[in-house]
Amino acid sequence: QSVLTQPPSASGTPGQRVTISCSGSSSNIGSNPVNWYQQLPGTAPKLLIYSDYQRPSGVPDRFSGSKSGTSASLAISGLQSEDEDDYYCAAWDDSLDVYVFGTGTKVTVL
Amino acid sequence: EVHLVESGGGLVQPGGSLRLSCAASGFTFSSYWMSWVRQAPGKGLEWVANIKQDGNQKFYVDSVKGRFTISRDNAKNSLYLQMNSLRAEDTALYYCARDSPRPRDVVDYWGQGTLVTVSS
Repeated sequence: QSVLTQPPSASGTPGQRVTISCSGSSSNIGSNPVNWYQQLPGTAPKLLIYSDYQRPSGVPDRFSGSKSGTSASLAISGLQSEDEDDYYCAAWDDSLDVYVFGTGTKVTVL
Repeated sequence: EVHLVESGGGLVQPGGSLRLSCAASGFTFSSYWMSWVRQAPGKGLEWVANIKQDGNQKFYVDSVKGRFTISRDNAKNSLYLQMNSLRAEDTALYYCARDSPRPRDVVDYWGQGTLVTVSS
């Protein structure tokens, strides 16, 4: 059972902006960096955002991250068909001493 | 380029054991925390364990404590996961992943995974 809660699905048409929320607590999001991963089913996850809002080299600036208190968000602007993947937030939890992943959000491009 | 290659997965009976290995290349292995993360079929990601650069600090998710042991050999650039008393719920694709040089930060690179199936 994950301690980080995400909506199970999100969708948009090409070119739209889609936002995915990640709700946690003071022991994880509230006190540690939040990271976001993109995963095409059957393939290894790819780091999309780290330290709340930083993008690794090669990640398009269409992807952006933010954090406020015990919640974080991933925004995808200018939605493209290749963005149709699963997305997970993650953070270290100081109370559990584990790296916790969100429940995952499947993004569909209509 | 960071490269992580897992091996050692397979079919094992409940109560059995397996040892997973991960060969790392493309970075200074001894400078990074390392993790194992798993994903059951059709399910989300679950972090399993990680280990400090010198091997002297390890963390585990509650569901594997006392059954799994993470270890590393910096001379061989290798990470291991010894899995004992395996249960059906341990069935998953197991990923080797690179953490940050700092603790409690980020898991950034992943291998392609090795499949563990626990079934009679």
